[in-house]
Order: sequence, then C-alpha cells, then structure tokens
Amino acid sequence: RKEVEQDPGPFNVPEGATVAFNCTYSNSASQSFFWYRQDCRKEPKLLMSVYSSGNEDGRFTAQLNRASQYISLLIRDSKLSDSATYLCVVNFRTGNQFYFGTGTSLTVIP
Amino acid sequence: DAGITQSPRHKVTETGTPVTLRCHQTENHRYMYWYRQDPGHGLRLIHYSYGVKDTDKGEVSDGYSVSRSKTEDFLLTLESATSSQTSVYFCATGQGSNSPLHFGNGTRLTVT
Repeated sequence: RKEVEQDPGPFNVPEGATVAFNCTYSNSASQSFFWYRQDCRKEPKLLMSVYSSGNEDGRFTAQLNRASQYISLLIRDSKLSDSATYLCVVNFRTGNQFYFGTGTSLTVIP
Repeated sequence: DAGITQSPRHKVTETGTPVTLRCHQTENHRYMYWYRQDPGHGLRLIHYSYGVKDTDKGEVSDGYSVSRSKTEDFLLTLESATSSQTSVYFCATGQGSNSPLHFGNGTRLTVT
C-alpha cells in the first residue's frame, strides 16, 4: 500500500466551478501536511500547508481529518489558471521524509 | 525557488557512464533531498541529507549515491547510468518536518 494515495483524475471542470480533491495517508503518526501545485514540466510549488483546524487562502480551502486519515483541497470559482496537477504531501513523524501522492490533474475549461 | 539551483538542466548520456547532478542552495536549509519523478509514480525519494556529511537512503536509492561536503551543495551520482534512470530529478530543501519543501527547477536526464 502506498503511503499517500490520490485520485489521479483527470478532473475537467468549467470555469467558475467548485472542485474538491482528497488524499489519504497510511501512517497515523503523520506530522505535517501540504498541498503543492505542479505545472507541466515545472517543479512543484507550495500551494498551502494544511492545519488541524482547516485553513483557507482566497479561493482555496484545505482540511485535515486525522480520524479518517485524509486531507482535502477545495477550489472555489475555478479559473483557467488553476489548470495544473495538485500533489498532496505528508511528513511522517518517523524520520524527516516527505511522501508525495502521484498527483491529481485538473483542467479548467472555458 | 530562486535560492535552489540545479545543474545541468538537461543531460543525455549513454548507458554505463557516470553522471553527477548538482544542487546548490542559498537558503541555508539544513535538509536537502533528491527525488525522481516518473509517470505513474509521482515523486519518489532517492536520498536525503540532514546535515553536512549526514545522509540517508530513500525508497529508490539503488544505483545512486550522494555527498554533502558543505551546507550549500548536495550531489547526486549515478555510478553507472542505466536506461531505467531516465527521469526528471528534483532537488528540494527544507528546515524540518513541520516546514514545507522548496524545489529546484529540475534536471531532465536521458540515458540512451
């Protein structure tokens, strides 16, 4: 079983739509959680950290559910520029290693 | 991130030749990582470093070695490149488990 699992998609949504991605992780002792965005042939870039109480940054909302071991990302009012691959990342308490999901592809359609 | 530079950006090499990829940071981050990214697998950790001369293996370390002689530089060496090592390699740095990683812009390696 992979440490971090994501639905690869692709998700194709119209502009203005709301879309949500989930990511599950295997290690209940996981310590920190992040969402990254990766554009084609580019490096991953931090989108937002995920805090226990949930957090919001503009149109983006991240949530953590420790009991069910998943994190989620909600994008409201999708823009064409949101088209990218979204990666969830988990750091486990044992060792300073970060585990990546395989990414979820999002295309926002005009 | 402007503070993390990978070189070379692209390389084509033949099977059996040694290859060294370089990661240089100006962030003074303690931790440095080498990942490879392949379709269907996402980013997988090759090796990481938690300080000068302190390194450890990741999940796909076979065929790779690393060295970190100073804080700024983390080298990844393929002693004898194989076609299965054709990939995009990313270097990342961080300040600890509660801080996010920051990535270099990647090295695209092709082994023919």
